Amino acid sequence: GAVVSQHPSRVICKSGTSVKIECRSLDFQATTMFWYRQFPKQSLMLMATSNEGSKATYEQGVEKDKFLINHASLTLSTLTVTSAHPEDSSFYICSARGTGLNYGYTFGSGTRLTVV
Amino acid sequence: TQLLEQSPQFLSIQEGENLTVYCNSSSVFSSLQWYRQEPGEGPVLLVTVVTGGEVKKLKRLTFQFGDARKDSSLHITAAQPGDTGLYLCAGDSQGAQKLVFGQGTRLTINP
Repeated sequence: GAVVSQHPSRVICKSGTSVKIECRSLDFQATTMFWYRQFPKQSLMLMATSNEGSKATYEQGVEKDKFLINHASLTLSTLTVTSAHPEDSSFYICSARGTGLNYGYTFGSGTRLTVV
Repeated sequence: TQLLEQSPQFLSIQEGENLTVYCNSSSVFSSLQWYRQEPGEGPVLLVTVVTGGEVKKLKRLTFQFGDARKDSSLHITAAQPGDTGLYLCAGDSQGAQKLVFGQGTRLTINP
């Protein structure tokens, strides 16, 4: 079945630095990738949708300059949290959607970001 | 904005009991998916329902999609401690081209 690899699984960074999270579709081409944020004991909140080769579409209330999304290829999307602050600490999850038989949503295993 | 109301948000029952989780919306979805998520991991797909009135079974889990494709339910028979986890419903709107999640149900099955 379709597999999505998300890296790193955990990261601790200092306040003010930037962190990049990668999301790769391993065995299918992901025409669309999604980035979610999940706070403790809560559901997934969609941050943005990215289509390969296009600018990401951000959900209302999500700062596009803080959460930079790049989807330069059909198998890779990255989320960069810029100038991270403790309130950016969260669980970030990506999802990839292909076409045809791979149309369904496949989720990565998530990245736990802690900003100290 | 399409919203999915999932209930209950917390449920703690004894092993062997039955339970139902509901997912409701005023919007129509082209499909609805149920996921289970373990702490520190991404959601894992349990089932996708597409047709109004569709019923799918996965061992002791029964999933139903409403006739109007606005609501869905997850029924677990004879719950076991291994069923403990966070269950999420998510609706796929082809028009919006994205997945909308319900609030989740944190299920605890006590031995």
